[in-house]
Amino acid sequence: KAGVTQTPRYLIKTRGQQVTLSCSPISGHRSVSWYQQTPGQGLQFLFEYFSETQRNKGNFPGRFSGRQFSNSRSEMNVSTLELGDSALYLCASSLASEGYGYTFGSGTRLTVV
Amino acid sequence: AQSVTQLGSHVSVSEGALVLLRCNYSSSVPPYLFWYVQYPNQGLQLLLKYTSAATLVKGINGFEAEFKKSETSFHLTKPSAHMSDAAEYFCAVSSPTGYSTLTFGKGTMLLVSP
Repeated sequence: KAGVTQTPRYLIKTRGQQVTLSCSPISGHRSVSWYQQTPGQGLQFLFEYFSETQRNKGNFPGRFSGRQFSNSRSEMNVSTLELGDSALYLCASSLASEGYGYTFGSGTRLTVV
Repeated sequence: AQSVTQLGSHVSVSEGALVLLRCNYSSSVPPYLFWYVQYPNQGLQLLLKYTSAATLVKGINGFEAEFKKSETSFHLTKPSAHMSDAAEYFCAVSSPTGYSTLTFGKGTMLLVSP
């Protein structure tokens, strides 16, 4: 059974650019969550999607957005990149969203220069 | 609101020694609790979870944790450390009601010396 796949693994962008990250959940999983991990702030929740609907959103500016497709694959987009957006972005999938059984991908390491 | 406090950003043990990583939580409702492990340049791997069944939870790789409501704690233990246990460990909490998300602690880096 394939795990959670995140692409790309590494990304370097310039300030002001935008970026799109992709996440393919485990087959059959309908919930996809995104987390940002930085040395200073640790792991912070970005948003969660279930059946193409955003059900939860963390405390991030509107530059951070996401969506989920009918096949449960999810993308997150960050516009007008800032240096502080450099982080490891982790995607997690679950059958539903009861708060247990999350499986994480290996993450996308975004560096903003 | 929920929160997690992990005591000690770094814990050092010798190979073969007891591993004890501390986690205290705050939650207005009976929580679900988790321990995850992260190896360098990897995502998070679930070690074990507490979802209101047995208070002593056994996980993978010989780890276990005990839910103590009176102490609001969920400490992670392993009787004998192995070099391969060196990694960062995260405690997390979520609510069993509604559409909950995971709230993580700051993490504890476990260092294992030969």
